[in-house]
Amino acid sequence: GAGVSQSPSNKVTEKGKDVELRCDPISGHTALYWYRQSLGQGLEFLIYFQGNSAPDKSGLPSDRFSAERTGGSVSTLTIQRTQQEDSAVYLCASSLGVGTGVQPQHFGDGTRLSIL
Amino acid sequence: DAKTTQPTSMDCAEGRAANLPCNHSTISGNEYVYWYRQIHSQGPQYIIHGLKNNETNEMASLIITEDRKSSTLILPHATLRDTAVYYCIVRSGGNQFYFGTGTSLTVIP
Repeated sequence: GAGVSQSPSNKVTEKGKDVELRCDPISGHTALYWYRQSLGQGLEFLIYFQGNSAPDKSGLPSDRFSAERTGGSVSTLTIQRTQQEDSAVYLCASSLGVGTGVQPQHFGDGTRLSIL
Repeated sequence: DAKTTQPTSMDCAEGRAANLPCNHSTISGNEYVYWYRQIHSQGPQYIIHGLKNNETNEMASLIITEDRKSSTLILPHATLRDTAVYYCIVRSGGNQFYFGTGTSLTVIP
């Protein structure tokens, strides 16, 4: 079946520009997560959505980062006034909502963001 | 979430079983063991998870010791496409997975 889909796969932009990254979770998955992975590093948690509950934004590194999830499905991660340190691979994952704590997360292939 | 310890790297001959160990000596009773792998330029791929019983699926087997302080991921017949970084994670809940540095597995022809 279809997995987690992310777009674009690659994004190159100039410092100071805004970018939007999109994630389409697996159908039926009510939990959605955003992570970022810098070169050679582990995954850094950014934000988590579960159904209609308020999102857990505890991992967002600054107020330049925001995310929304419309209709409980597609999510968009927005980075405003991009900086060079924002360059990374941004990964989205989804999981079944029931027993979220133990359900495995399924990842997309990410968006590779490069800030010039 | 409990800390895990994995070897930095391992080699395995193509066609042989790859046995990847993981120590999680501080695991608590309600924490599950998860395995993921990441192939270069792709997102992490879920492999298998378990609580205390051994588990098997189409990709791999997971053997958890009786005291649950360690586990082994077994790829029964390794292929070149299994070359990847393998992550062992233990968690009981929460909103995120903590990926450590993992084991870099190289399958040799």
